[in-house]
Amino acid sequence: DIQMTQSPSSLSASVRDRVTITCRASQSISSYLNWYQRKPGRAPKLLIYGASSLQSGVPSRFSGSGSGTDFTLTISSLQPEDFATYYCQQSYSTPWTFGQGTKVEIK
Amino acid sequence: QVQLQESGPGLVKPSETLSLTCTVSDGSISDHYWSWIRQPPGKGLDWMGHVHYSGTTIYNPSLKSRVTISVDTSNNQFSLRLASVTAADTAVYYCARAARYYYDSSGYYVLDSWGQGTLVTVSS
Repeated sequence: DIQMTQSPSSLSASVRDRVTITCRASQSISSYLNWYQRKPGRAPKLLIYGASSLQSGVPSRFSGSGSGTDFTLTISSLQPEDFATYYCQQSYSTPWTFGQGTKVEIK
Repeated sequence: QVQLQESGPGLVKPSETLSLTCTVSDGSISDHYWSWIRQPPGKGLDWMGHVHYSGTTIYNPSLKSRVTISVDTSNNQFSLRLASVTAADTAVYYCARAARYYYDSSGYYVLDSWGQGTLVTVSS
């Protein structure tokens, strides 16, 4: 199985801060990397696919980059509605696997 | 946008079979793949497997022969059965649609619509 490692596991930030979350794959996954946002009691929401393509309807302050084994999710100016847990997921090969999550909390 | 809703018992006894159904609305199940994902308390997301509307399945080998995912196109539903459950199978179970998105000349499978999740506890 491909192991996905996210860092940090949690972070505290203020509104309008720039936030970066990293995700590392245990082997090359090309650009087969997706990012999701999950809020308590809500269904997870797709943010980014193909490492850098923004899902329709997702604000442009979210961006993704990387290929191979190293990827990042960046929120350029954190908004109150962005406090949530973020997960990366590889779809390069089955079984699809997720990172352990990064919880973004209010400082 | 397609909507998904999980249903089934919230409590299952050890050694019994966990059964959940996902109902798809505002869209047809006759396309894409349909997945089950779970999250045990305090742990990460675990992809269990998926079924194509044609009935083709791919399972996570970690679940060995315990898992069965099936599709019922006439009712726009798909189902999960997990046999011989233990306390380790206690989790929030999500159903999701796996669609193929095209970007920069490549196709990427994404989980683009999810249910809200349902907690299943394994306990006597």
